[in-house]
Amino acid sequence: DTAVSQTPKYLVTQMGNDKSIKCEQNLGHDTMYWYKQDSKKFLKIMFSYNNKELIINETVPNRFSPKSPDKAHLNLHINSLELGDSAVYFCASSPGSPNTGELFFGEGSRLTVL
Amino acid sequence: GQSLEQPSEVTAVEGAIVQINCTYQTSGFYGLSWYQQHDGGAPTFLSYNALDGLEETGRFSSFLSRSDSYGYLLLQELQMKDSASYFCAVLGSGNTGKLIFGQGTTLQVKP
Repeated sequence: DTAVSQTPKYLVTQMGNDKSIKCEQNLGHDTMYWYKQDSKKFLKIMFSYNNKELIINETVPNRFSPKSPDKAHLNLHINSLELGDSAVYFCASSPGSPNTGELFFGEGSRLTVL
Repeated sequence: GQSLEQPSEVTAVEGAIVQINCTYQTSGFYGLSWYQQHDGGAPTFLSYNALDGLEETGRFSSFLSRSDSYGYLLLQELQMKDSASYFCAVLGSGNTGKLIFGQGTTLQVKP
């Protein structure tokens, strides 16, 4: 009974292609996030949604477009993929308020751009 | 801006105690979290300190000094399974739940 699940787990694609990653949480949380982890393990926040509303957008290229159809889902679409987009993308969720510094992460989606 | 510093690598032996330090510079601060990540796995939450002092959870403890912008994670009775990366993360001000992560410390536990 996975709390935060994301698909696909692995993505291998060519430069210039468009791809999507889906995320769902069954914890009843209000807030969801996308983080990018590069090859040096640096975890950087990209976006956050609270109850379907975008609340954080960390100067990510506009080739990246998040979409939250409801508060349990947060998808990430990436257009015109570049080599530098290769990374592990983690979805996460939190109750929202009060903030306790605890995020629940999905297992990650490893994107390789060739 | 915000920045966090932690050692890149730490090595210790089974049964020992290890301390991973984290210093931070932030424009706003609610608290400091710690996460563990095994290779190929997801980050998992260990602890959160909003107030000064020590929080203990089993073999792991976390400390915060807000005046020194400093915290640490203390791991006792090290086990082989504790070999992983450990990240400190600052919860900034504003009600967004935004966590800014440090670069991570790779802990290697040797027999």
